[in-house]
Amino acid sequence: KAGVTQTPRYLIKTRGQQVTLSCSPISGHRSVSWYQQTPGQGLQFLFEYFSETQRNKGNFPGRFSGRQFSNSRSEMNVSTLELGDSALYLCASSPRSSGGNTGELFFGEGSRLTVL
Amino acid sequence: SQQGEEDPQALSIQEGENATMNCSYKTSINNLQWYRQNSGRGLVHLILIRSNEREKHSGRLRVTLDTSKKSSSLLITASRAADTASYFCATDNYGQNFVFGPGTRLSVLP
Repeated sequence: KAGVTQTPRYLIKTRGQQVTLSCSPISGHRSVSWYQQTPGQGLQFLFEYFSETQRNKGNFPGRFSGRQFSNSRSEMNVSTLELGDSALYLCASSPRSSGGNTGELFFGEGSRLTVL
Repeated sequence: SQQGEEDPQALSIQEGENATMNCSYKTSINNLQWYRQNSGRGLVHLILIRSNEREKHSGRLRVTLDTSKKSSSLLITASRAADTASYFCATDNYGQNFVFGPGTRLSVLP
């Protein structure tokens, strides 16, 4: 089974630009979560999608958004980039059911965003 | 806010020694999981312990859970240089998102 695939792996943007990151979950996984990882704040939960619906959302400003497609692939978008958005963005899929958390998260390698 | 808090923040040991990391959390949990992250890479799941379990083993890993103290520990026995990584605990809060602690950086010196 192929793992979680995130693209692009590395990208550099300037302040004010926007960025879209993509995540392809493991086949059969309907839950996709996104996390932001920075040295200062650690792993911060952004949002979770299940069957194309946002099920949980973390404490991030509205500049951070996401969506999930019918094939479970997910994208996240950050608009009006700020220097503080520089981070490793991690996507994780899981076989969790509609009832709640089940089992482990399977992470991709991440997309490292640098904002200049 | 972070649910899990790992202790210590950094740990340096010699190959062959045991490494123990601790995690504390604040609210009721469904299960607690430990993950490993090699520098700049994605996280890899190590072990899951359910709230009704007290101890679990997987190879050289031993995890304990004390729900009365809201704490867990991860023991890595006979450590190897390849165990050098950051280790995170994550709590599964009954249908809410997983919450990760700040992690413990483990360095295993040859």
